[in-house]
Order: sequence, then structure tokens, then C-alpha cells
Amino acid sequence: DAKTTQPTSMDCAEGRAANLPCNHSTISGNEYVYWYRQIHSQGPQYIIHGLKNNETNEMASLIITEDRKSSTLILPHATLRDTAVYYCIVRTDNYGQNFVFGPGTRLSVLP
Amino acid sequence: EAQVTQNPRYLITVTGKKLTVTCSQNMNHEYMSWYRQDPGLGLRQIYYSMNVEVTDKGDVPEGYKVSRKEKRNFPLILESPSPNQTSLYFCASSLPNYEQFFGPGTRLTVL
Repeated sequence: DAKTTQPTSMDCAEGRAANLPCNHSTISGNEYVYWYRQIHSQGPQYIIHGLKNNETNEMASLIITEDRKSSTLILPHATLRDTAVYYCIVRTDNYGQNFVFGPGTRLSVLP
Repeated sequence: EAQVTQNPRYLITVTGKKLTVTCSQNMNHEYMSWYRQDPGLGLRQIYYSMNVEVTDKGDVPEGYKVSRKEKRNFPLILESPSPNQTSLYFCASSLPNYEQFFGPGTRLTVL
């Protein structure tokens, strides 16, 4: 599975959009981009995933560049409860399902 | 409520004393997995199971055993725990090719 690169940390003002970037320049055609987050030491929580089209759900939006070498997770109106470590993971959807978690981005939402 | 449960949530034990951490899911998921999380090393997969009686090693299987006799349960067994197995452990489950649901975590300390 392709590796990803994320900033170590980011700050965002409460109520503003949080835009979390992820680089995955070696992604291959059958690899999906997944985003999870981990609040303090709780179990990671699935946010969203996509292949090449932009995706949106009740939690966030995922924007994937046309060449698929990078993506951005958007939390449209960040709240204090969105403070967490956000993980960008690239993997194929074969049945092995080994999710490789990197260090992620520590997002701090500030009042 | 759909969930993955783990027991115990916290455990302090001594070197060499066999222990089992249980994991159960009520979503009829085929796939289950165990991870450990250590500071600076992120989440690493220990073992996974694609269905009943089908298990395989992840990235860090040494010192651990698993079994999958029933679809809903996937216990993690430490036959002779050592201090380097002090960690935060997560169980996860999913349907094939779908996102993983994580349990709340088990914090294990081996003295």
C-alpha cells in the first residue's frame, strides 16, 4: 500500500472549516483514500473514504485531486470536539484489509 | 447498538502470567483484527481473521495468539506477557471491503 505524508499538527478556530491535507504521490489506480480520527486514546473512528471522486457525508468532505496524488479532508464547521489525531490511509480494497496507520495530523480546534 | 466491545478495559499484570483480552462484535462482521498502539509507533496490526477458523499474522505477531471459534468473538491471548507488551490494544471488525469499526481499547501494563 502507498505511503502518505501529513503535517504533524494544525490549529483551527472553532466554527471555521478545517482543511487537512494528505500527500500520497505513489498511490496506484486501485487504491482508496481513507480518513480516520482518534480522539484522545479512544478507538479510531471512520470518517470517509473515496477512490477518485469527491465525497461528502454528514461528518466531512473529501477532495481528491485529479491526478490522485493528494487529498484534503474538510470539516466544514470545526467544533472543540473535533480536536483529535486525523489519519490518512491509502489502501486497496482487497480482503486482507490491513490498514497502515501513520503518525497522522494532530488537529487542535481553538475557542 | 452496533459496537465492538473489549474486556478488560484496563489490566495490570506481572511478567509470565497468562492473560486473555476478549473482543466481541454484534454486527455479524466477517473480518476482525487486533492492533497495538505505542507512543511514536502508531497503530500496528498484530493478527487478523477473515472468518471463523481463518486467522493470519499482522505486522507484530510475536508473543501473541488468537483464535476465532465464533464469528462474533476474537480473543487475544498473551501466553507469557513481558513488559514490552505494555501497550494500548484495539480490536476492530468490518464487513469485507468496508470500513473498520474499532473497540474502545484495552490498556495493558505488564510489570
